[in-house]
Amino acid sequence: RKEVEQDPGPFNVPEGATVAFNCTYSNSASQSFFWYRQDCRKEPKLLMSVYSSGNEDGRFTAQLNRASQYISLLIRDSKLSDSATYLCVVNIDPSRGGKLIFGQGTELSVKP
Amino acid sequence: GAGVSQTPSNKVTEKGKYVELRCDPISGHTALYWYRQSLGQGPEFLIYFQGTGAADDSGLPNDRFFAVRPEGSVSTLKIQRTERGDSAVYLCASSSGLAGPDTQYFGPGTRLTVL
Repeated sequence: RKEVEQDPGPFNVPEGATVAFNCTYSNSASQSFFWYRQDCRKEPKLLMSVYSSGNEDGRFTAQLNRASQYISLLIRDSKLSDSATYLCVVNIDPSRGGKLIFGQGTELSVKP
Repeated sequence: GAGVSQTPSNKVTEKGKYVELRCDPISGHTALYWYRQSLGQGPEFLIYFQGTGAADDSGLPNDRFFAVRPEGSVSTLKIQRTERGDSAVYLCASSSGLAGPDTQYFGPGTRLTVL
């Protein structure tokens, strides 16, 4: 079983749609959680950190359920520029360094 | 300011050859990471430096892979006797190394192709 698992997609949605990505992680001791965005043939960039209380940044909302070991990302009012691969990322023990564990990524394509 | 830079951007080599990949982190960042990304997969951790020392090298796949950071800034990933399975994008990231939330900033990567 992979340490971080995601729906591989691709998700093809029209502009303005709401889309949700899910992710599960296997190590219950994981402490930090993130969503990264990766454009085609580019490097990953931090989209947002994920907290137990849930957090929102504009059209993006991230949720963490520690009991279920489940992370989600919701994108409202999708834009063409949201087309990218979204990577679910976990850091098991930040006190011992920032080793990040990445999921496979979920590809999103927003169409006009 | 300048971000993380990596050279070369592309490297094509033949099976069995030796390659070196270089990473220049963001100035002042004490933590440096190497990851490898194969097509259709997320990045996979290789090694983490805090200053000059390798704090975690648990991701290096075998003894053909080695990395150094002699002065605590630039790092070089070295691969001996390359194999076709080593073909991937090698990503470097750096972070401030401070306690608390410590965002990793990635470089553009080196695309390695082993023929």
